[in-house]
Amino acid sequence: DTEVTQTPKHLVMGMTNKKSLKCEQHMGHRAMYWYKQKAKKPPELMFVYSYEKLSINESVPSRFSPECPNSSLLNLHLHALQPEDSALYLCASSQDPALAGGQETQYFGPGTRLLVL
Amino acid sequence: AQSVTQLDSQVPVFEEAPVELRCNYSSSVSVYLFWYVQYPNQGLQLLLKYLSGSTLVKGINGFEAEFNKSQTSFHLRKPSVHISDTAEYFCAVSSYSSASKIIFGSGTRLSIRP
Repeated sequence: DTEVTQTPKHLVMGMTNKKSLKCEQHMGHRAMYWYKQKAKKPPELMFVYSYEKLSINESVPSRFSPECPNSSLLNLHLHALQPEDSALYLCASSQDPALAGGQETQYFGPGTRLLVL
Repeated sequence: AQSVTQLDSQVPVFEEAPVELRCNYSSSVSVYLFWYVQYPNQGLQLLLKYLSGSTLVKGINGFEAEFNKSQTSFHLRKPSVHISDTAEYFCAVSSYSSASKIIFGSGTRLSIRP
């Protein structure tokens, strides 16, 4: 299984809502990532989890709250978002960040397309 | 710090023609270089990567890229494109010191005309 799955595929939410994005992989990867991608732009790194611990937070606003319950799952909890947060949210995973040292391939899910009204 | 420049935001080509997508990078340390492809409404997929060794790297779907250290380039090429190659292509760079963090270029949209 070389797949990263993301649910839901699409999400529409109001600025006062609370919602969560879910990402799952069963490749035994120990690093998992959240990216935000605006239309016609490259992905922007938000968070990195390494061995289920948050290792990188790219100064993301606190209305985005990541969670890694176990080595296969990664969640992104959303609360009080703004319309400018509308984007494609991509999850990715890679093998072993401690061994690979920047060489590892990241495997991406299909993304969740989020619209904030 | 590293950076990646993709000078061409769009490249239109006819089907079965060759194509080259340009990528230049900047770094003060040794780098690893990647090309990812994003088909419409999908996530990114690795096409190929350069870690070390031979400067000519072959990837999936008939693509190849050549690492040129003196020109700090990593251009992507395909001798004959198909309609199915229509996608956004991202060049990316990382290094040992950047660990899990890769820097993406701004992307090149490859559109194939029949």
